Amino acid sequence: NAGVTQTPKFQVLKTGQSMTLQCAQDMNHEYMSWYRQDPGMGLRLIHYSVGAGITDQGEVPNGYNVSRSTTEDFPLRLLSAAPSQTSVYFCASSFGQHTGELFFGEGSRLTVL
Amino acid sequence: AQSVTQPDIHITVSEGASLELRCNYSYGATPYLFWYVQSPGQGLQLLLKYFSGDTLVQGIKGFEAEFKRSQSSFNLRKPSVHWSDAAEYFCAVGVFTGTASKLTFGTGTRLQVTL
Repeated sequence: NAGVTQTPKFQVLKTGQSMTLQCAQDMNHEYMSWYRQDPGMGLRLIHYSVGAGITDQGEVPNGYNVSRSTTEDFPLRLLSAAPSQTSVYFCASSFGQHTGELFFGEGSRLTVL
Repeated sequence: AQSVTQPDIHITVSEGASLELRCNYSYGATPYLFWYVQSPGQGLQLLLKYFSGDTLVQGIKGFEAEFKRSQSSFNLRKPSVHWSDAAEYFCAVGVFTGTASKLTFGTGTRLQVTL
């Protein structure tokens, strides 16, 4: 069972470059979200989606864009990478937006030089 | 706004000893509460959750947690720790906003288990 799949697992960018972190889930989950994890700060919500075509901002949305064209996919775009975006990014999904039982991917470690 | 405090950044216990990880939350109403575990290089996995009802909640891997409204706490416990329990543990509070439940995570407690 694949669950939540994130690619790439590792990425190094230069300041100002753009890139997309991919997230796909095969559980037919309505709710998908992106978190970033930084030392001493836990996980912080970037963006989330409660279904195809519906997205909303989380706690730290600046510098990131998302879209949700299908139930399965929820890519996270960095338009112009900054060193402050160096982090580990996690995609998570759940069957309903109110359960709170999130299924996480294995993470994508991004370094911005 | 809701918040979660995990006062212990790092805890070391001996294998076979009991464990208690502390979690305090701040929220005006009855929250949804969760404990997640993260093994090195992995994503988070749900250990247990509290929505309502019995304040003692059983989870996977022999963990349990008790919701104490008077203390705004949701501490995680295990009677006998195994070396494989070494990981980072996150407490989270969920708030229903009308469109979605948003989870706010604590900063985590790293558990080291000595043999």
